Amino acid sequence: QKEVEQNSGPLSVPEGAIASLNCTYSDRGSQSFFWYRQYSGKSPELIMFIYSNGDKEDGRFTAQLNKASQYVSLLIRDSQPSDSATYLCALRDTGFQKLVFGTGTRLLVSP
Amino acid sequence: GAVVSQHPSRVICKSGTSVKIECRSLDFQATTMFWYRQFPKQSLMLMATSNEGSKATYEQGVEKDKFLINHASLTLSTLTVTSAHPEDSSFYICSARDYRPESYEQYFGPGTRLTVT
Repeated sequence: QKEVEQNSGPLSVPEGAIASLNCTYSDRGSQSFFWYRQYSGKSPELIMFIYSNGDKEDGRFTAQLNKASQYVSLLIRDSQPSDSATYLCALRDTGFQKLVFGTGTRLLVSP
Repeated sequence: GAVVSQHPSRVICKSGTSVKIECRSLDFQATTMFWYRQFPKQSLMLMATSNEGSKATYEQGVEKDKFLINHASLTLSTLTVTSAHPEDSSFYICSARDYRPESYEQYFGPGTRLTVT
């Protein structure tokens, strides 16, 4: 069973700070990793995906992947109250092409 | 990103009745769609993978006779909850895989909140 582990939080940061969300996974063969944001009562929204070791930046978001250590992280710079949501880490099961989700980390950004 | 729609967004039904939920990919063709269920304060649980023109692949523990999935075209998949009971009340979300180079990932519909009374 492929597993994705996330701290459920909540992670509280003040407005303007950097929020750091972390995720570890058990399947060393996983190749594709995703971060989704989910607001309460809404469906997940894809923020970023990353396939290669290192950093990938998109606006205020940076995804970091370290396959040797089996972790993937998401940094949110200049956090805004509107970033308050649950962030879901996922990996793609290479055999069946389905996404395996973590339980999510709740982020709270205070004004 | 690609757009996926779901209908209805909310439905209330009586115990014992059946409910059909539609999932459409609006601007791309989706050979593969996925159906998830999410209970309050829990993560997404994959129910089944729907492949156009073939039978769906159900996850372990999901009753295929209760949750009927049909993927008759490249833009439409349906989930029918048969003989619904209060424990089936949940947030049902579909997603579709976009294989176009400019999008190339999995996008979610807005979800359907089912309440069984």
